[in-house]
Amino acid sequence: QSVLTQPPSVSGAPGQRVTISCTGSSSNIGAAYDVHWYQQLPGTAPKLLIYGNSNRPSGVPDRFSGSKSGTSASLAITGLQAEDEADYYCQSYDSSLSGEVFGTGTRFTVL
Amino acid sequence: EVQLVQSGAEVKKPGESLRISCKGSGYSFTSYWITWVRQMPGKGLEWMGRIDPSDSYPNYSPSFRGHVTISADKSISTAYLQWSSLKASDTAIYYCARLRAVAGGGYFADYWGLGTLVTVSS
Repeated sequence: QSVLTQPPSVSGAPGQRVTISCTGSSSNIGAAYDVHWYQQLPGTAPKLLIYGNSNRPSGVPDRFSGSKSGTSASLAITGLQAEDEADYYCQSYDSSLSGEVFGTGTRFTVL
Repeated sequence: EVQLVQSGAEVKKPGESLRISCKGSGYSFTSYWITWVRQMPGKGLEWMGRIDPSDSYPNYSPSFRGHVTISADKSISTAYLQWSSLKASDTAIYYCARLRAVAGGGYFADYWGLGTLVTVSS
């Protein structure tokens, strides 16, 4: 039972910009806990994409960016490429569960 | 280079016990918590729990407490996930990951293992 809600699917054409939302509550994102994002390419392990709301690990293209406001966060992908087709998950800490939680996940498809 | 090497795929029968492993290298194993994440077939990621390898203190997600045991042996830089009695519903890929602490609270996973597929079937 995830406490972070994401749209099940999002799609976009090559070169365009898309955003993926992550909606939480006052016990996680709204409590000022950071949001992190992971990319899971088909058949592979998840990979850290964004940490601390908006920071990119070394090697992650600047086409990926993250933001947070209130009880929600967003992942933006610009200049869409076919290789961006993957599942994307947000993650934060929840004080009522006293532990980390993942979002429901979003499958991104390039048209 | 940080690496988390997980044990190989397992096929078990319901009721059997199992322990899978995750060996860390390329960093100080006792300086970072390790977490276990479940991914059932065609489903999303679920946080199972985490362990501090320095003192083997575990912390479980409410959904998994009592169903699995997380442990670690710092002498061989290895974390474990174990079941005493498997069920068909335990069929999933299990990932271990290294956790980094966030200043304001919580953790995120910066390095991941490749996953261990556990299949439970009669």
